Amino acid sequence: DVKVTQSSRYLVKRTGEKVFLECVQDMDHENMFWYRQDPGLGLRLIYFSYDVKMKEKGDIPEGYSVSREKKERFSLILESASTNQTSMYLCASDRDSNQPQHFGDGTRLSIL
Amino acid sequence: TQLLEQSPQFLSIQEGENLTVYCNSSSVFSSLQWYRQEPGEGPVLLVTVVTGGEVKKLKRLTFQFGDARKDSSLHITAAQPGDTGLYLCAGVGSGYALNFGKGTSLLVTP
Repeated sequence: DVKVTQSSRYLVKRTGEKVFLECVQDMDHENMFWYRQDPGLGLRLIYFSYDVKMKEKGDIPEGYSVSREKKERFSLILESASTNQTSMYLCASDRDSNQPQHFGDGTRLSIL
Repeated sequence: TQLLEQSPQFLSIQEGENLTVYCNSSSVFSSLQWYRQEPGEGPVLLVTVVTGGEVKKLKRLTFQFGDARKDSSLHITAAQPGDTGLYLCAGVGSGYALNFGKGTSLLVTP
């Protein structure tokens, strides 16, 4: 069965900390995505990657970076966390854009 | 970014009622996907519609893709509490990424 695993369900960090969110997929998918989900704003794309070491900015990349050193792993990095980055973060993957995206269960991140 | 507007934003109904959720855009999509997200989980695909005018049924759920491939609707017959969740439509355009609507939050009470 298809599986996208996010390393943490809940995470609490302090302002200014460097935060890493990890995502692993076991489906050999080419594309991986990071979204944040906020009430009233829906799912907003932060970054995506279509191949190892390749990355593209989404709609709201400011304050974030990503890393894809291996095909199965896509990391989201908050270089210096701020309170406005408190959110639900969702990772997804797909084989190509005409196929459905498979999502992890999300990481609820709180920045204090 | 091609915008997808979903309506209504919130819907609270009694068990057994029917409802329709709409997903509209000014852009044409090659296909459109519908997802349901339950609390504490990621979205899960319900269906993909590809052809203009296409109708797909999934038990009590009926999905329709507009003739011009710019809009879609989801109709639920005799809603049940298990249908509660956030319904998201997502359009497939020319790039790698999907364009998601903001979602319709549905609550079905017994």
